Amino acid sequence: GEEVAQTPKHLVRGEGQKAKLYCAPIKGHSYVFWYQQVLKNEFKFLISFQNENVFDETGMPKERFSAKCLPNSPCSLEIQATKLEDSAVYFCASSQSWGPYEQYFGPGTRLTVT
Amino acid sequence: GNSVTQMEGPVTLSEEAFLTINCTYTATGYPSLFWYVQYPGEGLQLLLKATKADDKGSNKGFEATYRKETTSFHLEKGSVQVSDSAVYFCALSDSNYQLIWGAGTKLIIKP
Repeated sequence: GEEVAQTPKHLVRGEGQKAKLYCAPIKGHSYVFWYQQVLKNEFKFLISFQNENVFDETGMPKERFSAKCLPNSPCSLEIQATKLEDSAVYFCASSQSWGPYEQYFGPGTRLTVT
Repeated sequence: GNSVTQMEGPVTLSEEAFLTINCTYTATGYPSLFWYVQYPGEGLQLLLKATKADDKGSNKGFEATYRKETTSFHLEKGSVQVSDSAVYFCALSDSNYQLIWGAGTKLIIKP
């Protein structure tokens, strides 16, 4: 498609439950990025992919967070055993080429952990 | 490490006022610089970018010049409109091309 699609729009989970978020990048874009936006607008980089390969995962809390981009499937970000501090808006972005090119952002998934 | 600092908000202006939102950065090498905008209830949109020193990015009346000597990328607009009310983010692209973000500045334009 012509836009980055993210589902669901909102997700509510009890503390300790699993959360799974999905992202469909723009068709033809090979690079996918995940960012977490917490209170007061702060953005944090989580992970990036080139096609199905992880490129940079330096921002991922590895104990509970995992992500995949498989061929012919939406990318996914999964949080095992959610914590209250995981409450945030999770944005996915895609880019056509590797480099300082524009990243196109999806509308985000708002995760609320209660 | 790399970082971006932008002025705290909110910034409140009257319609047709001149806007400046300051942004400075710390980076190794030669990052690319971006301004993104987030309108209420919407996702992020790229507003403008500059990829090398002295480049000027411009879009929708907004401008920003990549100043290597002052490590700055200040956003300016000569005459703001109510529709410009949004949160503005300054960001840099590091060697791994992830975006490093400023804290965001909320802009409120009053008619």
